[in-house]
Amino acid sequence: DIQMTQSPSSLSTSLGDRVVITCRASQSISIYLNWYQQRPGKAPRLLIYDASTLQSGVPSRFSGSGSGTDFTLTISGLQAEDFATYYCQQSYSTPPTFGGGSKVEI
Amino acid sequence: EVHLLQSGGGLVQPGGSLRLSCAASGFIFRDYAMSWVRQAPGKGLEWVSAITGTGNTAFYADSVKGRFTVSKGISQNTLFLQMDSLRAEDTAMYYCVKDDSVTTSHNWLDPWGQGTLVTVSS
Repeated sequence: DIQMTQSPSSLSTSLGDRVVITCRASQSISIYLNWYQQRPGKAPRLLIYDASTLQSGVPSRFSGSGSGTDFTLTISGLQAEDFATYYCQQSYSTPPTFGGGSKVEI
Repeated sequence: EVHLLQSGGGLVQPGGSLRLSCAASGFIFRDYAMSWVRQAPGKGLEWVSAITGTGNTAFYADSVKGRFTVSKGISQNTLFLQMDSLRAEDTAMYYCVKDDSVTTSHNWLDPWGQGTLVTVSS
């Protein structure tokens, strides 16, 4: 199975900050990397698919980049509703695997 | 609008069985693969199972293989997860999720159901 490693596992931030979360795959996964946001007590929500494509309805302050083994999720100008846990997921091969999560908190 | 409504969770003893259901609407059910993803209390996300659009092919995580069975009721627009020989480590919130294509390859997962809690305890 492909292992997905996220960093940091948690970060303290402030409103308006720029946040960068990284995700590393244990082998090359091309661009098959998705990002999800999970607010407390809620189901996850797709933010970005295929490494850099913004899902419909997701604010443009979210962006993704990378290919191969190294990927990043950037939030430009953190808003109150962005305090949540973020997960990466590879869809290159079965089983799909998730990173351990990155909790963004004040 | 796509909507996934889950039911069937609850408390079950170790070794027991439970069936989860996920009623889908807002899309052509047979045209999309579906997945189950779980989240143990305070932990991250773990993929459990997936099934192709037609329901002909299913995939399982090693942790549930041989104990869980996923199926699609095409005429009822409903996804099922039959869980047998349940263990304490199966305790989690289970999410039903729509894949973005008829196969299970190179997919993203969207949207997610509201989740249903399964607790395995004596």
